[in-house]
Amino acid sequence: AQSVAQPEDQVNVAEGNPLTVKCTYSVSGNPYLFWYVQYPNRGLQFLLKYITGDNLVKGSYGFEAEFNKSQTSFHLKKPSALVSDSALYFCAVRDRYSGGYQKVTFGTGTKLQVIP
Amino acid sequence: EAGVTQSPTHLIKTRGQQATLRCSPISGHTSVYWYQQALGLGLQFLLWYDEGEERNRGNFPPRFSGRQFPNYSSELNVNALELEDSALYLCASSLFGGGTHQETQYFGPGTRLLVL
Repeated sequence: AQSVAQPEDQVNVAEGNPLTVKCTYSVSGNPYLFWYVQYPNRGLQFLLKYITGDNLVKGSYGFEAEFNKSQTSFHLKKPSALVSDSALYFCAVRDRYSGGYQKVTFGTGTKLQVIP
Repeated sequence: EAGVTQSPTHLIKTRGQQATLRCSPISGHTSVYWYQQALGLGLQFLLWYDEGEERNRGNFPPRFSGRQFPNYSSELNVNALELEDSALYLCASSLFGGGTHQETQYFGPGTRLLVL
């Protein structure tokens, strides 16, 4: 079974400060990991993904995420937050070797509020 | 390149009625996914279609059903609507489904269903 946890319902950060949105996962094998962002009244937009290789993944809009196998985490980070980054962020996981039609599991989402 | 499109954008129904939601995937994508996003409940996986076949199903009652057409577009049907079916219904598509590919999903803007 696979699962993903986003322990914080909401994260508040001042504009210009670094931000971190946390994600931990559980899979039986090795994971594919994803981050998506959802702006109000919109669908989800793909930000970045970890498949293999370098543990630090760079994505859209200056976001990056670090895969940490020992801590089973994939936290989303940005060095300097913008007010326009305020949105709902979803982490997702899929067991790489599950094969067949194993679905991707999404977290419950973390609301990021960047304060001017 | 056009993204995933969904219609209608909004739908108002009364209890007991049927709702039909439509999704057109990105050109070349064969997999279509349906999710329900109810207020405060995150993203709940509904259905996955690939190459015209239902490949995976979430924990929803049989009154949630759908199909995928030869052009890979998809339809979600919800019968005997209940008040708690009120939600944003998101469709996503991906280039590959199943197997060991990482299948990044690309989302449409959603259909907001209101059941009165």
